[in-house]
Amino acid sequence: ETGVTQTPRHLVMGMTNKKSLKCEQHLGHNAMYWYKQSAKKPLELMFVYNFKEQTENNSVPSRFSPECPNSSHLFLHLHTLQPEDSALYLCASSQDWVGTVNTGELFFGEGSRLTVL
Amino acid sequence: QKEVEQNSGPLSVPEGAIASLNCTYSDRVSQSFFWYRQYSGKSPELIMSIYSNGDKEDGRFTAQLNKASQYVSLLIRDSQPSDSATYLCAVKGPSNSNSGYALNFGKGTSLLVTP
Repeated sequence: ETGVTQTPRHLVMGMTNKKSLKCEQHLGHNAMYWYKQSAKKPLELMFVYNFKEQTENNSVPSRFSPECPNSSHLFLHLHTLQPEDSALYLCASSQDWVGTVNTGELFFGEGSRLTVL
Repeated sequence: QKEVEQNSGPLSVPEGAIASLNCTYSDRVSQSFFWYRQYSGKSPELIMSIYSNGDKEDGRFTAQLNKASQYVSLLIRDSQPSDSATYLCAVKGPSNSNSGYALNFGKGTSLLVTP
């Protein structure tokens, strides 16, 4: 079983749909992250959860809503998205939140490729 | 806006040669520096981290850091076709600071090693 699992791997949705992305980590880590990866752009941090508590919301529009019910699971709820939101959404985890340690070993899932029509 | 700059490439090197990947950053207080490798269609994976000025070697990989010049590089010796991937530079400020709460990534450099 891989360390960080994301589902679905591919998602196509209309602008009025509501969908969710799911992430599960099997590494016993304390911090989880959502990143957005768009073509020709750097990885953009969206949200950080440390011990289930949200520590960072990087000015993400409210049409993206994260949920972290426990330290192993992370969701990204999607609602009334725009075509420019089409991207690869990567979930990552780390033993400790990188904001409190110098190490930066993030373990990424394979990503959810989102297309908004 | 804290910038991490990388040449997007592609950087093409022949098999067996040394590949040199470069990264510059704008935030002078940055303390932690990382190189991630991302194969096409796959997720990034950490291959090197460096925290002090100088060189750090791990197998065929050498990371070089020059904080005065705000420059970090990755050298890959004896390049193999399997090294073909996008290499992401990531930078972080001191922990518990405004610039230390997350990694700041560059756009990545695409490396192609030709047989």
